[in-house]
Amino acid sequence: QSALTQPPSASGSPGQSVTISCTGTSSDVGNYNFVSWYQQHPGRAPKLIIYEVIKRPSGVPDRFSGSKSGNTASLTVSGLQAEDEADYYCSSYAGTNKFVVFGGGTKLTVL
Amino acid sequence: EVQLVDSGGGLVQPGGSLRLSCAASGFTFSSYAMIWVRQAPGKGLEWVSTISGSGGSAYHADSVKGRFTISRDNSKNALYLQMNSLRAEDTAVYYCAKGDTSGVNLVYWGQGTLVTVSS
Repeated sequence: QSALTQPPSASGSPGQSVTISCTGTSSDVGNYNFVSWYQQHPGRAPKLIIYEVIKRPSGVPDRFSGSKSGNTASLTVSGLQAEDEADYYCSSYAGTNKFVVFGGGTKLTVL
Repeated sequence: EVQLVDSGGGLVQPGGSLRLSCAASGFTFSSYAMIWVRQAPGKGLEWVSTISGSGGSAYHADSVKGRFTISRDNSKNALYLQMNSLRAEDTAVYYCAKGDTSGVNLVYWGQGTLVTVSS
């Protein structure tokens, strides 16, 4: 069982927006602004798309945005495109004992 | 260009050992924390170990503590994961990743190397 809770699936039509939640606790998501989101296409390594809750690495489209409220972080994908279909994982720093914890992943389907 | 090349995976019997390697290039290796993350077949990501840039600090997940050891050789730009007392549940693709300055955000990932623990 993963430390962070994500919905197993999400979907949307091209052009629509979809939001994926990531719920942790006051020991991880709620206590640190070190929430990241990773995109993983089948057979590929994960790719960082959001870090420190809201920041985007260079080259990541601004269609991807992050937010956090309390113990829950969210990833919003706006203007869905076919290539956005992938698995998405959230992660959070959880202190020097557990260091990094991941969510179980959400499979995003573009209808 | 940052490159991380994972190697060393393979088939090993339960109780056996394996050493994974990650060859890094394209950045000042000793300046960044490095991380191992694994993914069991069809499952999600699991953090395994983190080591500081100097190698002076290392952290391991409870699931591997006492069995796995992360290390690095900054003179060779290489990261390692020594895995002992392997169990079937250690079967996974193992990825090395480069941390950013915080050491928490995994900015670049290797291609992964598959470890299968089976008799």
